[in-house]
Amino acid sequence: AQTVTQSQPEMSVQEAETVTLSCTYDTSESDYYLFWYKQPPSRQMILVIRQEAYKQQNATENRFSVNFQKAAKSFSLKISDSQLGDAAMYFCAYRSNGGATNKLIFGTGTLLAVQP
Amino acid sequence: GAVVSQHPSRVICKSGTSVKIECRSLDFQATTMFWYRQFPKKSLMLMATSNEGSKATYEQGVEKDKFLINHASLTLSTLTVTSAHPEDSSFYICSARGGFYGYTFGSGTRLTVV
Repeated sequence: AQTVTQSQPEMSVQEAETVTLSCTYDTSESDYYLFWYKQPPSRQMILVIRQEAYKQQNATENRFSVNFQKAAKSFSLKISDSQLGDAAMYFCAYRSNGGATNKLIFGTGTLLAVQP
Repeated sequence: GAVVSQHPSRVICKSGTSVKIECRSLDFQATTMFWYRQFPKKSLMLMATSNEGSKATYEQGVEKDKFLINHASLTLSTLTVTSAHPEDSSFYICSARGGFYGYTFGSGTRLTVV
């Protein structure tokens, strides 16, 4: 069974600085997707970025980028120029590209605080 | 973009009563919907997967008779917590498979059983 591990329960970053959130996963599959979701205090889940496993190029969305290391099964999220609105719980998630339902498997989350 | 509407956002019910939570995909057809439970500052725990027109698939340890899921149309799935007890108090989130990014989440329902 696939598992997703986030080893940092809490992180803190100064406004305008850069922070990296870690995520590792375990799978025997070769075709899958990885996601980072943000859950602010409103608790609405918001997709931050996604990565397709067969793409070697790291995904980037404005200030958010990932470091995808497929062999190491690592998928870290880098937030540049951190803003107060980035404060939230961040979840890493895995989804197999095979199977009937393709459910998301979430990590335990990292609570990010942004200091003014 | 894809929108999933989840209602109610908050509900308080008495112990022993049943509560229904609705999840609607507003601008796309959701053949598959997922129901999650989330405790404070914890991750999302998948409870069940529902496919339109068929029985839901429950995760191990989830009581199917307590958490009734119905997915009768391509735009509506419901979760009914039957004979609710205080330990059922939690935050429940639905997610619909569909939309550009593949998964769209509802805004969640905070259930309090008193």
